[in-house]
Amino acid sequence: QVQLVQSGTEVKRPGASVKVSCKTSVDTFTGHYINWVRQAPGQGLEWMGWVSPITGDAGSAQKFQGRLTMTRDTSITTVYMELSGLRSDDTAVYYCAKEYYASGNYYYFDYWGQGTLVSVSS
Amino acid sequence: QSALTQPASVSGSPGQSVTISCTGTTSDIGGYDYISWYQQHPGKAPRLLIYDVTSRPSGISDRFSGSKSGNTASLTISELQTEDEADYFCSAFTSSATGVFGPGTRVTVL
Repeated sequence: QVQLVQSGTEVKRPGASVKVSCKTSVDTFTGHYINWVRQAPGQGLEWMGWVSPITGDAGSAQKFQGRLTMTRDTSITTVYMELSGLRSDDTAVYYCAKEYYASGNYYYFDYWGQGTLVSVSS
Repeated sequence: QSALTQPASVSGSPGQSVTISCTGTTSDIGGYDYISWYQQHPGKAPRLLIYDVTSRPSGISDRFSGSKSGNTASLTISELQTEDEADYFCSAFTSSATGVFGPGTRVTVL
């Protein structure tokens, strides 16, 4: 059964960093890319980046380069998204999402985590 | 700032059909057939409705259909039902090998 279980709500000060975890099933971890998508309150979806759980390779949208780090722990089939230099406009629900295809990353997200609210406020 | 454009809202009566457009460029929609559509109800995670422009994942009603012409992709919802009232987002693969979402369209069932 495919499951993506994320860590809980985070409250951060501007300038801080946040690290969100996404625990996946073994089949997902060994066969599919994981992407990160965020959604600010009342706004649309914003693609942030991807990570290959098997190789550790990662790629991100240009606007997040230098601030976004995506990693994984193979021993516990968990991927992580760390965003640094937080600003108030980083306040959003952050989702991890599984790529549909096993053969690559085409940005088709068939399973999603439950979302993690990150609130940035002074 | 999304590189794709969608109408902010569309509406229809139960039983009618509505079509949502998603317009991009030759660097995304027009350049590749890696286009998907998502439905999102308030407070819920998005749900994949369409991938590969026209394909539906298992369990998705055939009332949802996708198409593409040039730089514009479209999602059609046939036989509109009250539970179809939601936000709909298109997504595309880009020439930078990144993903991009449209700004979303609110569908209202009158």
